Amino acid sequence: SYVLTQPPSVSVAPGQTARITCGGNNIGSYTVHWYQQRPGQAPVLVVYDDTDRPSGIPERFSGSNSGIAATLTVSRVEAGDEADYYCQVWDTSSDHPVFGGGTKLTVL
Amino acid sequence: EVQLVESGGGLVQPGGSLRLSCAASGFTFTNYAIHWVRQAPGKGLEYISSISGSGLTTYYADSVKGRFSISRDNSRNTVTLQMGILKSDDMAFYYCAVRALGSSAFEFWGPGALVTVSS
Repeated sequence: SYVLTQPPSVSVAPGQTARITCGGNNIGSYTVHWYQQRPGQAPVLVVYDDTDRPSGIPERFSGSNSGIAATLTVSRVEAGDEADYYCQVWDTSSDHPVFGGGTKLTVL
Repeated sequence: EVQLVESGGGLVQPGGSLRLSCAASGFTFTNYAIHWVRQAPGKGLEYISSISGSGLTTYYADSVKGRFSISRDNSRNTVTLQMGILKSDDMAFYYCAVRALGSSAFEFWGPGALVTVSS
């Protein structure tokens, strides 16, 4: 089945920009979604369809999919952004979703 | 407002059974498949099961196939995940979720129910 690869951790100072990557074979042909999961809470969708934001998600969160990798960018990082982030695609060959292993964003 | 609420979690012995429910509100229930995603302690998200809006189509991940059964009651806006022959690997938070309209993203999630498998 399809595999998504994320770095286990990313660290960034407050006010800086965090970039979290999500790699997969020919990922450009997939639509990528991103979730934020704070400790003890359910995941929250922060970017869907590669680049779109649900209502209520700050503009500081943005997504891209270059075909080599998908990237979640968090600009002007705040302490409250510290969380685990997961990418997800729908694997059409198996007709079910696949999640990346998750990336822990640490705000220094 | 869309709401999903899981219930039925708890402590169960290895080999035992447990039934989780997902109560939904705030949307036309029959129009949406309901999905279950679980997360073992300290681990990532694992997609395990789904049921179509009509209830006619179901999916199970290999890790739960033959042990778990999903069903829905469209008159009560409820989905049930019947879990059997539980193992320590099944210990996790279980979330029900709904996809966004026209997208493969999971827009709405319940708060989760904890299943603990231990003797």
